[in-house]
Order: sequence, then C-alpha cells, then structure tokens
Amino acid sequence: AQSVTQLGSHVSVSEGALVLLRCNYSSSVPPYLFWYVQYPNQGLQLLLKYTTGATLVKGINGFEAEFKKSETSFHLTKPSAHMSDAAEYFCAVSGSGGTSYGKLTFGQGTILTVHP
Amino acid sequence: DGGITQSPKYLFRKEGQNVTLSCEQNLNHDAMYWYRQDPGQGLRLIYYSQIVNDFQKGDIAEGYSVSREKKESFPLTVTSAQKNPTAFYLCASNWGTNEKLFFGSGTQLSVL
Repeated sequence: AQSVTQLGSHVSVSEGALVLLRCNYSSSVPPYLFWYVQYPNQGLQLLLKYTTGATLVKGINGFEAEFKKSETSFHLTKPSAHMSDAAEYFCAVSGSGGTSYGKLTFGQGTILTVHP
Repeated sequence: DGGITQSPKYLFRKEGQNVTLSCEQNLNHDAMYWYRQDPGQGLRLIYYSQIVNDFQKGDIAEGYSVSREKKESFPLTVTSAQKNPTAFYLCASNWGTNEKLFFGSGTQLSVL
C-alpha cells in the first residue's frame, strides 16, 4: 500500500523567495517519486522524478527535490520564486516494479501563490 | 504534435443519464488511465488499461465503465449509478514501463 501526504494545502511566497513544498510518503516497496504541476483548467505536467541513484533530482523550471529515505520525504524546492510558478503542485508515489505501470498515488495537492 | 486530446472540455449530465468522455492519444502509448480530481483530494485512479481489449479497475471504479477497442482511444462512461459525478476528469497515458505520465487537458463534468 502507498500513500502521500503533502503538508500545507496552500503556500504563499514573495517573488524571489525560496519555494519549499513538503511531501511525505509511505510505501511497502522501494518507491518511485514524482512531482507534477497543474496550471488552472489544464492537465498535469511532470516536473521531476526519482527512481534510483542520485537522491537529489533536478527538474524543469529550476525545481529540484531530494529523496530522503530515513525521513520518507521528497520535498520540492526552488531557490527563487517567479510569478509564473503560481500553480498547484502534486507529489505522487508508485511502486518500483513492472506491475505498477503508472498507477500513481497522488497527494492532495499544494496551491502555490507568488506575490510581487 | 503528439499528445492526448480530451473532449468535451465541459459536460453536463442530467439525472439518470449516462455520459461518455472521450480520450484519444497519438503518442503510441500502450497504457492509458482515467483519473478523477476533486478539490483538495488530489487525483484518484478510476480505470486503467495496459493493452488493447484489456482494462482493470482502479481505486474508485464504481459507477464508471470503460472500453479499449483501439490503442489510441480509451473512452470513459459515467453511468447513472455514479451518484456524485461532478469532478474534473483527467486522461493520461504512458508506455507502461516508463513511469512518466502524459496528461490530457481534462473534462469538467457537472450535474444539471
């Protein structure tokens, strides 16, 4: 069984400030972890993913996330927020192994607001 | 350009009516998925299909049905048995072994 908890349904930052979106997961097998972004009335777009190997993962638009097994966390960060980063962000987990096939379990989402 | 097309963008259902949401992809993906999105609840898997003529229930399949007669198409029918159908429905696809999902732009279903 898998689950994802995103801490904070809304996060507000000033333009140029650090963005930190928190994600904790539980999984009975080694996880694959993902962050997706959704702009209003659109589908989701992959920001980054962790499968195996390096625990610090870099994604698009300057975002990165670090897999911390001991803390079961996969927090998303960006050093300097931009107005265009305003969106809803979803953390997701799937089991490592062939039968998972995109059967992701998503967190509840975090809406990021960026103030000028 | 390759991608996933969902139609219609907005759909209204009357009491007791079945409605069908369309999902077409030209990415040559083997696997396709339907997710339901409700505010504050993230996405929940309704049905998925790994190959043509085969599909499996996800976490919330009750009140929904699907078919996969062609690789490119994976329509979702919301039946009258689904008592709370108002939601944003997202279709997605991937190659199956690659975990990256490609999403369509969604269909907002509302009840009249």
